[in-house]
Parts: sequence; C-alpha cells; structure tokens
Amino acid sequence: RKEVEQDPGPFNVPEGATVAFNCTYSNSASQSFFWYRQDCRKEPKLLMSVYSSGNEDGRFTAQLNRASQYISLLIRDSKLSDSATYLCVVNPTNAGKSTFGDGTTLTVKP
Amino acid sequence: NAGVTQTPKFQVLKTGQSMTLQCAQDMNHNSMYWYRQDPGMGLRLIYYSASEGTTDKGEVPNGYNVSRLNKREFSLRLESAAPSQTSVYFCASSERGDRTGELFFGEGSRLTVL
Repeated sequence: RKEVEQDPGPFNVPEGATVAFNCTYSNSASQSFFWYRQDCRKEPKLLMSVYSSGNEDGRFTAQLNRASQYISLLIRDSKLSDSATYLCVVNPTNAGKSTFGDGTTLTVKP
Repeated sequence: NAGVTQTPKFQVLKTGQSMTLQCAQDMNHNSMYWYRQDPGMGLRLIYYSASEGTTDKGEVPNGYNVSRLNKREFSLRLESAAPSQTSVYFCASSERGDRTGELFFGEGSRLTVL
C-alpha cells in the first residue's frame, strides 16, 4: 500500500462547479500536510498548508481528518485556470521527508 | 528573483554515460532536495541535505550520488546512466526543513537515457 494515495482522476468539470479531492495517508504519526499544484510540465508550487482546524484561502478549503487519516481539498466556483494536477504531500514526524501522492488531475471546461 | 536554478534543462545520454545535474538556490535555505518524477506519478525523493555538510538517502537513491558543495549548491550525479533513469528531476529547497516549511522547486531537468 502506498504511503499517500490519491484518486488520479481525471476530474472534468464545467466552469463554476465545486470539486473535491481526497487524499489518504498510512502513517498515523504524520504531522504536516500540504496541497501543491503542478501545471503541465512545470514545477510543483505550494497551494496551501492543511491545519487541524481546517483552513480556507479564497475559493479553496482544506480539511484534515486525523481519525480517518485523510485530507481533502475543496475548490468552489472552478475557473479555467484551476486546471492542473493537485499533489497531496504528507510529512512524518521524525524523518522530516515529504511523501508526495501521485496527484489528481483537474480539467475545468468552458 | 531566481529562487532555485537547475542546469541543464534538457539532456540526452547514452546508457553508461555519466553526468551531473547542478542546482543552486539564492534564498539562504538550509535544506535542499533532489526528486524525480516519472510520467503520471508523484515526486520521489532521491537524496536530501538537511544542512550544509550533510546528505542523506531518500526513497530511491540507487544509481545516484550527491554533493552539497556549499549552502547554495547541491548537485546530483549519475555515474553510469541507465534507461530506467529517464525522468524529470526537480531540485528543491526549504528554509526550516520540509517538515514544516514550504518546498521551493526549480523548473526541472528533463533527462532521457537511450
């Protein structure tokens, strides 16, 4: 079983739709969680950190469920520019090395 | 505002050839990393350097060596390239170690081994 698992998609949604991605992790001791965005053939860039209480940044909301060991990303009012691959990243407590999920691909269509 | 700079951006090698990927960051970060990304997959850690003078193996270190030349520079060397090493390589840096700090990536180096 992979340490970090994501639904690869692709998710194809119309502009204005709400879409949610989930990511599960196997190491219950994991402490830090992030969502990165990667555009086609580009480097990953931090989208947002995920805090225990949940956090929101404009149209994006991230949630953490430690009991079920998953994190989620909700995108409201999707824009064409949201089309990208979204990578879930989990950091363990001791090794300090990030583990990346394989990514979920989102395509927003007019 | 360079951030993380990798060279070369593209390289084609024949099996058995050697090469070094260079990475430099101008953000005064302590930690640096080398990842590889294969098609349709996430990033896998090859080696990392938590601070100047230290290096450690990541998830997929076989066939690679690294050098943390100074605080700014972290190079990745393929001594005898194999087709399985065809991939996109990303260098990254972070201020406080990736456990709590944001990772900043270079633009990637696309390597093909024939």
